[in-house]
Amino acid sequence: DTAVSQTPKYLVTQMGNDKSIKCEQNLGHDTMYWYKQDSKKFLKIMFSYNNKELIINETVPNRFSPKSPDKAHLNLHINSLELGDSAVYFCASSQDSIYTQYFGPGTRLTVL
Amino acid sequence: QKEVEQNSGPLSVPEGAIASLNCTYSDRGSQSFFWYRQYSGKSPELIMSIYSNGDKEDGRFTAQLNKASQYVSLLIRDSQPSDSATYLCAVGTGGGNKLTFGTGTQLKVEL
Repeated sequence: DTAVSQTPKYLVTQMGNDKSIKCEQNLGHDTMYWYKQDSKKFLKIMFSYNNKELIINETVPNRFSPKSPDKAHLNLHINSLELGDSAVYFCASSQDSIYTQYFGPGTRLTVL
Repeated sequence: QKEVEQNSGPLSVPEGAIASLNCTYSDRGSQSFFWYRQYSGKSPELIMSIYSNGDKEDGRFTAQLNKASQYVSLLIRDSQPSDSATYLCAVGTGGGNKLTFGTGTQLKVEL
């Protein structure tokens, strides 16, 4: 009965590859997010969706494309992976955009 | 100036002492404030949320908010070794649509 789940937990890939990370929440929340946490542990928002509509799009390279097929799912596709993309990516959800956010377990992406 | 600032630490306190963690923010329009705890290799976990000036207590944790000074703090009473983690301050900015995190303060509770 995991609240926010992500797959895969670990992802190791070569530069130039394309990869996807999936996120699902069973909390009935309307808003979902993607965050990137770098090696210095700084957590920064990338995207936010409310009821499948994009509401936050930070200055993220367009190689990153979020997709929300329904309000319980928010996937992140990354094209042409670069070394600097190595980080932990967290999915989160909240009841609405102003309420407490609950985080998934994270996906550790390593680009070689 | 960073939007949300925290001392990176490490902050070391003896077991049983009070740990005091501080955070300042730059957006005067911020309305929501959160403290998350993150153990190494784990995801952030909500400890406290606070929306109005003053103190809010939950068990051993007390959050304090002073909007005039743009300051949020977290007090942990009777600190335990299990409290050793990184504590992230998060502020709802941009009309509340976005959480901006500080870089976190590493707390070490020593036996």
